[in-house]
Amino acid sequence: DTGVSQDPRHKITKRGQNVTFRCDPISEHNRLYWYRQTLGQGPEFLTYFQNEAQLEKSRLLSDRFSAERPKGSFSTLEIQRTEQGDSAMYLCASSLGQHEQFFGPGTRLTVL
Amino acid sequence: GENVEQHPSTLSVQEGDSAVIKCTYSDSASNYFPWYKQELGKRPQLIIDIRSNVGEKKDQRIAVTLNKTAKHFSLHITETQPEDSAVYFCAASINNNNDMRFGAGTRLTVKP
Repeated sequence: DTGVSQDPRHKITKRGQNVTFRCDPISEHNRLYWYRQTLGQGPEFLTYFQNEAQLEKSRLLSDRFSAERPKGSFSTLEIQRTEQGDSAMYLCASSLGQHEQFFGPGTRLTVL
Repeated sequence: GENVEQHPSTLSVQEGDSAVIKCTYSDSASNYFPWYKQELGKRPQLIIDIRSNVGEKKDQRIAVTLNKTAKHFSLHITETQPEDSAVYFCAASINNNNDMRFGAGTRLTVKP
């Protein structure tokens, strides 16, 4: 386990379709975070998990977005009825408690 | 909620010179302030962080200062090298690491 991994790395979809992304954190990390990053901006916090519990959600996270971490290990982020404004890099990060967050390589979503 | 502002948006220095990037935050309850470096097409990586119980932290050529009264913190890079060229993001969070808010980033270019 060399770091946080994300799959897929790139996703192109048509408007209105659903997409799902996966994040595998560093194995011993109990916290997992999802961010969205658009060109020229810093990452925007979306949500975070401590073990399997989703403890915080940003107001940016509309009803079309849902995230899960069913067994406290990997997490999925689903976007339903995608819109062009959803096009962005979706970053996952993990940490051991309050220590440093390690980021994954991201999933670049393009909605046509 | 927390709002983080970062200046300048771009910074160009000559190799060997110092670079300073400044950030301000709005929520006095914020107590964790990391700095991330993001090279083109790569994931953000932590370069240094500071918690609210200290005013300054140094790691080789990189230092961070925190002024809790003024609610601002700065990144100082001395003896810059071309490989320091990247986008740097500051961030602030309440409760150490949860719901991290990022600045918009500073694109640093170090000219050889």
